[in-house]
Amino acid sequence: ILNVEQSPQSLHVQEGDSTNFTCSFPSSNFYALHWYRWETAKSPEALFVMTLNGDEKKKGRISATLNTKEGYSYLYIKGSQPEDSATYLCAFSPGTSYGKLTFGQGTILTVHP
Amino acid sequence: AAGVIQSPRHLIKEKRETATLKCYPIPRHDTVYWYQQGPGQDPQFLISFYEKMQSDKGSIPDRFSAQQFSDYHSELNMSSLELGDSALYFCASSLFRGRGNTIYFGEGSWLTVV
Repeated sequence: ILNVEQSPQSLHVQEGDSTNFTCSFPSSNFYALHWYRWETAKSPEALFVMTLNGDEKKKGRISATLNTKEGYSYLYIKGSQPEDSATYLCAFSPGTSYGKLTFGQGTILTVHP
Repeated sequence: AAGVIQSPRHLIKEKRETATLKCYPIPRHDTVYWYQQGPGQDPQFLISFYEKMQSDKGSIPDRFSAQQFSDYHSELNMSSLELGDSALYFCASSLFRGRGNTIYFGEGSWLTVV
């Protein structure tokens, strides 16, 4: 059974704060790590797909890093805005089964104006 | 941009009935995935198809079957429904299963079994 853990479970920040959360995953049989942003009643929005150790990806104010040797990824949000409020999910792709994602339980981010 | 389309969005069925969920992938995407998310749980992988052939199988009950058609849309058929089948069912699609390809999710279909 694959174990994908996210922390913290929830986070409350003020508008303008920078924040980060963690996704830990098995370091063996790693193939890819996906980050999604999910708002209630909407489809999960794909943020990043990360495959290489040391990868850093950026999309606007959101960035992510990957360490496959120790099995973790960080997601950073710079200057949080109320519209960043959502659940952030990471999902692990094992080798040879790319789409057989194992999800973490998510980090619920609330940004207060 | 076109996204993954799922229908119906909401479905209410009685125990022992049959339900069919449909998924229309993003145009030109050849791979479709199905996930089930029960109340308070993470999404769980059910099954996937690549070029109309089953490519991976997860914890899909024998009462469920799925297929991908020539136009790449997919259907998930669920028979002899049980109360525990009540869940949010996601469909996702990608272009091939290549490493690094983004997997795009639909909004999900809510199934309630009463």
